[in-house]
Amino acid sequence: DAKTTQPTSMDCAEGRAANLPCNHSTISGNEYVYWYRQIHSQGPQYIIHGLKNNETNEMASLIITEDRKSSTLILPHATLRDTAVYYCIVRVERGGADGLTFGKGTHLIIQP
Amino acid sequence: NAGVTQTPKFQVLKTGQSMTLQCAQDMNHEYMSWYRQDPGMGLRLIHYSVGAGITDQGEVPNGYNVSRSTTEDFPLRLLSAAPSQTSVYFCASSYSHGLGGRETQYFGPGTRLLVL
Repeated sequence: DAKTTQPTSMDCAEGRAANLPCNHSTISGNEYVYWYRQIHSQGPQYIIHGLKNNETNEMASLIITEDRKSSTLILPHATLRDTAVYYCIVRVERGGADGLTFGKGTHLIIQP
Repeated sequence: NAGVTQTPKFQVLKTGQSMTLQCAQDMNHEYMSWYRQDPGMGLRLIHYSVGAGITDQGEVPNGYNVSRSTTEDFPLRLLSAAPSQTSVYFCASSYSHGLGGRETQYFGPGTRLLVL
């Protein structure tokens, strides 16, 4: 799996857009970008994933650069409940045999 | 949909006792897995299943058994609890269709286990 680099922590004001960057300069053509988050004391939560194109769902948007070497997760209107550790994972889809590996992630703190 | 449910939420065991952690999902997902999360260790895969009747070992399977008799349920059994098994246990499920789908895992709320 390609190595990812994320900032250790970020602050964002409530109601503003939170933009979380992830660098994955060694990504290969068949590797997807996945974003998960873990709110304190809860199970990890899937947010979004993409391969080449930008993606949007009810939770967030994922912007992947044209060269695929970096991506940005956007929470359009952050709330206090979005305070969590956010993980960017890059891997080939293979399921089952290899569990998800979360790195250190970005601790996003939403300020009131 | 209830998603992935786990019971119990908390459990205290004495060394040597056995117990079963329950996991159920109502999303008709083929893939299910069990992880443990320890402070500073991240998630570690214990066992997984790619469908009813099929299970396999993950990274840290010793001391745990699993079975998958139905698509919905994937219980984790601790055979003889040890203090080293004190952890938070998460069950997850994922679907097999769609681009990148198998890595889109939905996690339960976790079971916090303390072994004395």
